Amino acid sequence: GIQVEQSPPDLILQEGANSTLRCNFSDSVNNLQWFHQNPWGQLINLFYIPSGTKQNGRLSATTVATERYSLLYISSSQTTDSGVYFCAVGGGNNRLAFGKGNQVVVIP
Amino acid sequence: EAEVAQSPRYKITEKSQAVAFWCDPISGHATLYWYRQILGQGPELLVQFQDESVVDDSQLPKDRFSAERLKGVDSTLKIQPAELGDSAMYLCASSFIQGGGYTFGSGTRLTVV
Repeated sequence: GIQVEQSPPDLILQEGANSTLRCNFSDSVNNLQWFHQNPWGQLINLFYIPSGTKQNGRLSATTVATERYSLLYISSSQTTDSGVYFCAVGGGNNRLAFGKGNQVVVIP
Repeated sequence: EAEVAQSPRYKITEKSQAVAFWCDPISGHATLYWYRQILGQGPELLVQFQDESVVDDSQLPKDRFSAERLKGVDSTLKIQPAELGDSAMYLCASSFIQGGGYTFGSGTRLTVV
């Protein structure tokens, strides 16, 4: 199956700082999603982005499918941005494979 | 905003007992997924439904796990008998079409003692 690698595994940010999370994947994909898992375990869909660039408030994402990577940008981070960010990718079988996540802690 | 409903939120059960989880997807979402997430790891797909049909259960431990979506709407995931290694978060998600954006429920945190 498709391998998904996320980096960095852990990140500590000062409130107000910007950051970039990276997702590398091993094969062609037709589905790529970014999720935020809050401390209560809820997974929130941030972006459906198999290619191109999208922005939603302070968050934006870019996927370069030909080079098999995606980036999630967090600008002006807030304490509510803390949690685990997951990249999930899917290929021809429609099964979505998740990475191990980026643990982000934003300190005031 | 439409949500995926899951119950119970928490479940503690003894080893060898039966346990069941329920999921009601967003209305109109034909595709339903059950995932298992072990602490510190990403979710892993257990079973995927398209309407009432199973389209992928290759990772479902079929000797003890079963899943059904009889009328193509809500779904039940059952474990019998539960084992200590089944302790995990069980997440349900739905999407309007296969390969579309997922919406997850809040999950059921299972502890087997």
